Amino acid sequence: GQNIDQPTEMTATEGAIVQINCTYQTSGFNGLFWYQQHAGEAPTFLSYNVLDGLEEKGRFSSFLSRSKGYSYLLLKELQMKDSASYLCAVVSGGYNKLIFGAGTRLAVHP
Amino acid sequence: DGGITQSPKYLFRKEGQNVTLSCEQNLNHDAMYWYRQDPGQGLRLIYYSQIVNDFQKGDIAEGYSVSREKKESFPLTVTSAQKNPTAFYLCASIPQGRGNTEAFFGQGTRLTVV
Repeated sequence: GQNIDQPTEMTATEGAIVQINCTYQTSGFNGLFWYQQHAGEAPTFLSYNVLDGLEEKGRFSSFLSRSKGYSYLLLKELQMKDSASYLCAVVSGGYNKLIFGAGTRLAVHP
Repeated sequence: DGGITQSPKYLFRKEGQNVTLSCEQNLNHDAMYWYRQDPGQGLRLIYYSQIVNDFQKGDIAEGYSVSREKKESFPLTVTSAQKNPTAFYLCASIPQGRGNTEAFFGQGTRLTVV
């Protein structure tokens, strides 16, 4: 079967660094996305990884290891507005099935 | 501006009625997807389509139907067979091939059964 796992909730302090992990088991692999979602809104794109390694974009970085079925999203210099859900998603198979993990709710406190 | 448009934003349905949610994109994307999201939960895949006149069932297709007669359009019908349809519905699209670096989302339709 296909499965994407991420922690349900995390808390962190403003100004700190937090790492959100994602492990996946899918039939084939065509890429991995990270999205941010605030309550009641559509997800917004953060990053995309298709090759192993680290992709950096401002305060956000995403890492992928295809052999381990593992990714993480790294958020630096946390701000209160970073309190949101973070969704890991994998594209797989010949029909490019795009499935999401259940999301990680991040709470940033002063 | 290119993007995905979902309509309506809010929709109320009486029990036993079928309703159709619209999703239109002008991004020239081949792949389109429908998801359902319940409060505090992740996105669950209902149906997806890679090309016109072809689509695949996702993980929770029962009680839903779709069509893909045009590349730009991927409407979702919530039928009376869907016993618990109240949810937030999201449509997405991605470009085909190795250039699929982002999945674009519509703003969602919030469906409520009354």
